[in-house]
Amino acid sequence: EAGVAQSPRYKIIEKRQSVAFWCNPISGHATLYWYQQILGQGPKLLIQFQNNGVVDDSQLPKDRFSAERLKGVDSTLKIQPAKLEDSAVYLCASSLHWGASGVYNEQFFGPGTRLTVL
Amino acid sequence: AQKVTQAQTEISVVEKEDVTLDCVYETRDTTYYLFWYKQPPSGELVFLIRRNSFDEQNEISGRYSWNFQKSTSSFNFTITASQVVDSAVYFCALSEEDRGAQKLVFGQGTRLTINP
Repeated sequence: EAGVAQSPRYKIIEKRQSVAFWCNPISGHATLYWYQQILGQGPKLLIQFQNNGVVDDSQLPKDRFSAERLKGVDSTLKIQPAKLEDSAVYLCASSLHWGASGVYNEQFFGPGTRLTVL
Repeated sequence: AQKVTQAQTEISVVEKEDVTLDCVYETRDTTYYLFWYKQPPSGELVFLIRRNSFDEQNEISGRYSWNFQKSTSSFNFTITASQVVDSAVYFCALSEEDRGAQKLVFGQGTRLTINP
């Protein structure tokens, strides 16, 4: 079974530029997550999708970050314009489904995209 | 709000020593899961273990063992006879269930260095 795919793996941009990251979850996984991991910290959830709907985007800086999952499969995370503090690894994860309460759905992580903003 | 604290930022030991990574958590949920992940230099998060809040049995997997104590809200991880390949950043995480999907809250991580 193929894992979570992300591209690009590395990106270097200048501040105020725009950037987009792509994630392809494991086939059949309905839930998709984007995390931001700043150097020296643990990953922090930015947004969570269930199929093509947003479940939680409470920690997404909506003035500059946006994400979509139009057909309920692939997802794109965009930053526009980027700031120096956006330098981080952006991790995508997916889990199986919107299960019944008490049913555990393990999250599988992709390799991440390392963003450097100069 | 949920919180995970890994008080040890960095640990350095000599190969073959035993080492314990501490994790303390806060949650108001009665049903939750605790995890440990390993992040080697390649950057990918590698799942190590999951434990649900109703199962306080300790677990051993080879050189790895986990001690879950609800009374102290701790979920500590011990590596016995450490090896250089164990060098990585280790994260403890806590999840809460939200309509069937799990939201993970991570600690800040412990960088473990095993010296030959």
